[in-house]
Parts: sequence; structure tokens; C-alpha cells
Amino acid sequence: GAVVSQHPSRVICKSGTSVKIECRSLDFQATTMFWYRQFPKKSLMLMATSNEGSKATYEQGVEKDKFLINHASLTLSTLTVTSAHPEDSSFYICSARRGTGRNEQYFGPGTRLTVT
Amino acid sequence: AQKVTQAQTEISVVEKEDVTLDCVYETRDTTYYLFWYKQPPSGELVFLIRRNSFDEQNEISGRYSWNFQKSTSSFNFTITASQVVDSAVYFCALSEAKRAGGTSYGKLTFGQGTILTVHP
Repeated sequence: GAVVSQHPSRVICKSGTSVKIECRSLDFQATTMFWYRQFPKKSLMLMATSNEGSKATYEQGVEKDKFLINHASLTLSTLTVTSAHPEDSSFYICSARRGTGRNEQYFGPGTRLTVT
Repeated sequence: AQKVTQAQTEISVVEKEDVTLDCVYETRDTTYYLFWYKQPPSGELVFLIRRNSFDEQNEISGRYSWNFQKSTSSFNFTITASQVVDSAVYFCALSEAKRAGGTSYGKLTFGQGTILTVHP
């Protein structure tokens, strides 16, 4: 099956710093990637849709200047949490959609961010 | 707007019992996809099934079975003869089918999840 990786798997950073999370599709090209956020014991909430070569589409309530998304290639999307605060601590999961005609989506293993 | 409801927050069963996880959805789309995912303690989402809205046939895969009832907007998931390894959080999700020019194609709306604990 298709493989999506995320790096890092865990990160601890100090308040005010920025953190970059990478999402890679390892064996297929993904024109679209999605970024989700999951609080402890909660559901996944879509943050934004990342399209290769264009600006990301953010969901209502998600600050685009705080959560910067770059989808520079067909296999890589990055999420940068800028000026992180403790309330940004969460589990961030990306997914990649394979192809344009099929709705097959593959999830990365997630990144646990802790802001101290 | 799309919505997925998993009314059961937590379910606890003893090994070998059958268990059904409920999922009810709302959508205005006539064509859509329904999914079930398993999230073990490691956090990684494991894909279990995808169902097209036009395909109402029930599906069985080993100990897993799914009952899709379009008339009641439900897509329930049954585990037969549960095992301890089935303990996880299970999510039902919904996505729209491709729409010409649509930018939201493929994004998933998740239910709240059901925590399943299978005791030995």
C-alpha cells in the first residue's frame, strides 16, 4: 500500500519558537495533502488542504499566518507552527491523496508537538 | 455541511463478544464516500474500509463487517469475536465525491470516535 511519512514523530519546543513538520508521500505523487489536528481523546479536525503549487485552503477558524503550509513538490508538504504557544500542543496528522480521479487517502503516522 | 455522529463514546466488552460501533452521517451530497479508521495507542490511523454511496452492499472482511443503510444514513461496523488487539479508537468519516472545480474534494469529516476496550 501507499506510504506516507511524517517527520519528526515527536517534538518539544519552547514558547515563541517555530516548528516545521514534514509530510512525505514515499511511493506516489500527491497533488493534494491534508493537515489535521487532534487533541487528546478528541476527533481529528481538518486544518487545511494543501495543493501542490498553489496556496493552501484553510478551514474556518484556522490562522493561516500561524500555521504556514507549503506544498512545494508532489511528494512533500510542510506545516510550520510559528511562534508556538502551549495551546498549540497537539497531535498533527497529515494525509495524502493519491491521484486526481480517486478518493484514496493515506495517513502519516502523526507528529506529537509539545510546547513548553 | 457534512456531519458524522458516533454516539457511543466508549464501549467495553469481554474477549470473544461481538460488538457494533454505530455511525450516523449527514450530507447534502448525492455522491459521497464513507470510511472507517482504527487508531491504536500508537496514534497512526489504520484504514479499514471505504464505501461509495452508490454501493449499499454490506461487506465482510474476516471478523469485520459493515452495514450501510442509506435510508437511515448509517454505516455501522461490527467486530465479531472481539480480541484484545481490537482495543483502539475507531473513527467513522465522510468525504464528498469529486466535484468539478471543487477545492474541498477529498477532505474528511470525522466522527467523534468510539473508544473500544476489549478485556481478556
